[in-house]
Order: sequence, then C-alpha cells, then structure tokens
Amino acid sequence: AQTVTQSQPEMSVQEAETVTLSCTYDTSESDYYLFWYKQPPSRQMILVIRQEAYKQQNATENRFSVNFQKAAKSFSLKISDSQLGDAAMYFCAYSGGSNYKLTFGKGTLLTVNP
Amino acid sequence: DSGVTQTPKHLITATGQRVTLRCSPRSGDLSVYWYQQSLDQGLQFLIQYYNGEERAKGNILERFSAQQFPDLHSELNLSSLELGDSALYFCASSVGANRNEQFFGPGTRLTVL
Repeated sequence: AQTVTQSQPEMSVQEAETVTLSCTYDTSESDYYLFWYKQPPSRQMILVIRQEAYKQQNATENRFSVNFQKAAKSFSLKISDSQLGDAAMYFCAYSGGSNYKLTFGKGTLLTVNP
Repeated sequence: DSGVTQTPKHLITATGQRVTLRCSPRSGDLSVYWYQQSLDQGLQFLIQYYNGEERAKGNILERFSAQQFPDLHSELNLSSLELGDSALYFCASSVGANRNEQFFGPGTRLTVL
C-alpha cells in the first residue's frame, strides 16, 4: 500500500523568508501524481501545486515550487517570500496506480511570524 | 471558492441516528470523491463515483453508503451513528475518473453526541 510521510508536524517561518516542507512517499507504481494541499483555519482544502511523476521538471506556481526526487521518493514544497496568509496546515498527497484516490500525509502546520 | 458545494455546513445529531450529506460537483466534473478528516485517522478516502457508477472504495464502513444521481450530485448516507463518526466530511470533484486535480468542497462538520 502506498504511504505518505510528513516528518515535520510543525514549522515556522518569518514573513518574507523561505521555508521548505518535507514529504516522502512509498510506492511500487511508476506512474503517479503528487500534490500539495493547503488547509487554512477555514478548513477549506486548497490545491497548491501538482507534479506528474513522468515529468523531470519541478513544478512551480508563483511563490510555490517543489523539489521532486523520484529515486529518493521525496517531494518537498518550497514557499518563497512567505506571507501571513500562507499560515495553514499543508498536506502532501499521492495518487497512483489503478486507484485514483488521494492518499494524504498527516500534515505540517506552518506558522508565519510577522 | 472551488465550485464544489456541500450541505449542510454543520450537523449535530445523536448516536444511533442516520444523516445524509449532500455534494454538488463543479460544473462539468463527472467524478465525485468522499473523504473523512478526523483527529485520530487524518484524511481518509471513503468512496469515488464516476458518472453515476461506483469507481473505487476505500475505508468506508458498512454503515455508510453513497450514491451519485443523474444530475451528478452525490449523497453520503451515514447510519447507526457512533461517537467516533464525528469528523469533517469532504466531497471533492474532478473532470475525469483518472488523476486529474481534485477540487474540494468546504466540508460538512458532523458532531455525534
């Protein structure tokens, strides 16, 4: 079974600084997708960024970028120029094989300090 | 706003009761997924429907059932409720049945007393 591990339960960053959230996953599939979702205090799940495993280029979305290391099964999220609105729980998620469900990690709570 | 709607936002009920949670996917999306978020279990996939047919099943209890109607809205039925069923229930939708992005609704907070 696929598993997703987020080893940092909590992280903090100063406003305008850069922070990296870690995620590792375990799978025997060769074709899969990885996602980062953000859950602010409102509890809404917001898709931040997506990476297809077959693409070597790391995905970027404005201030958000990933470092995808397929051999190491690592998928970290970098947030640049952190803003107060980035404070949230961040979930790493995996989707692969014949089952299209999302498998989530336990999340990392990010605090942004002014 | 993701375009996915869920009703009700909050639901408080007693043990042994039955409730129905409703989800309307984004316009054009054919797939609907249900997830449960609880403190002890985290975010768990329950079930997926695609264009009215059940496509995949996850950790869904036998007391729970779901369906997707011809207009593509979906309902999750929870019966014989227990205290441990208290959780946030999310519906998500995607265009196809495969690994497209899933867009989440605001969730229904269920409290079982």
